[in-house]
Amino acid sequence: DAGVTQSPTHLIKTRGQHVTLRCSPISGHKSVSWYQQVLGQGPQFIFQYYEKEERGRGNFPDRFSARQFPNYSSELNVNALLLGDSALYLCASRVESSGANVLTFGAGSRLTVL
Amino acid sequence: QKEVEQDPGPLSVPEGAIVSLNCTYSNSAFQYFMWYRQYSRKGPELLMYTYSSGNKEDGRFTAQVDKSSKYISLFIRDSQPSDSATYLCAMRGNTDKLIFGTGTRLQVFP
Repeated sequence: DAGVTQSPTHLIKTRGQHVTLRCSPISGHKSVSWYQQVLGQGPQFIFQYYEKEERGRGNFPDRFSARQFPNYSSELNVNALLLGDSALYLCASRVESSGANVLTFGAGSRLTVL
Repeated sequence: QKEVEQDPGPLSVPEGAIVSLNCTYSNSAFQYFMWYRQYSRKGPELLMYTYSSGNKEDGRFTAQVDKSSKYISLFIRDSQPSDSATYLCAMRGNTDKLIFGTGTRLQVFP
């Protein structure tokens, strides 16, 4: 049974560029969330999507955007990259948008901005 | 003040020791409490999950939640070198937004 899959696993960009990260949730999971984890810190919430609608947004600038597709997969886009955007970007999925069921995380996409 | 406080460690213990990891929090709306384990350069893996106050045991792991004190703990019995990882506490209310601690780095030496 496949878990949450993310691509690419690693990527290097330069300042000012744009990046798209992709996530496929566990089969049957309709809710996808994105987190940013800077080295030495805990993950920070960026977005949650459920049934293709944004259900929550963390304290991130408008350079960050996301969307969810009809098959429940998701993309995270970051424009005008800054050095401080270097981090592990984690996608997590669960069955519903609230309630007792838990989030399952993918292995992450490690972004380095030079 | 952060919503969730966790001692970053590192915590170094000998194999077989009992490990105690802790977090405090300030938001009384938190209802769901989790501990994740994260190996280097990997995603967090759910270890324990507790709703509201109380204890939960799973093998060598015991999670405790004291909502009156806003304090959660994870105990690891008979610690093994394979337990060496970063342990993240996380919690939320009735939304998907998880609030994480900074993580405690644990090293278990043979």
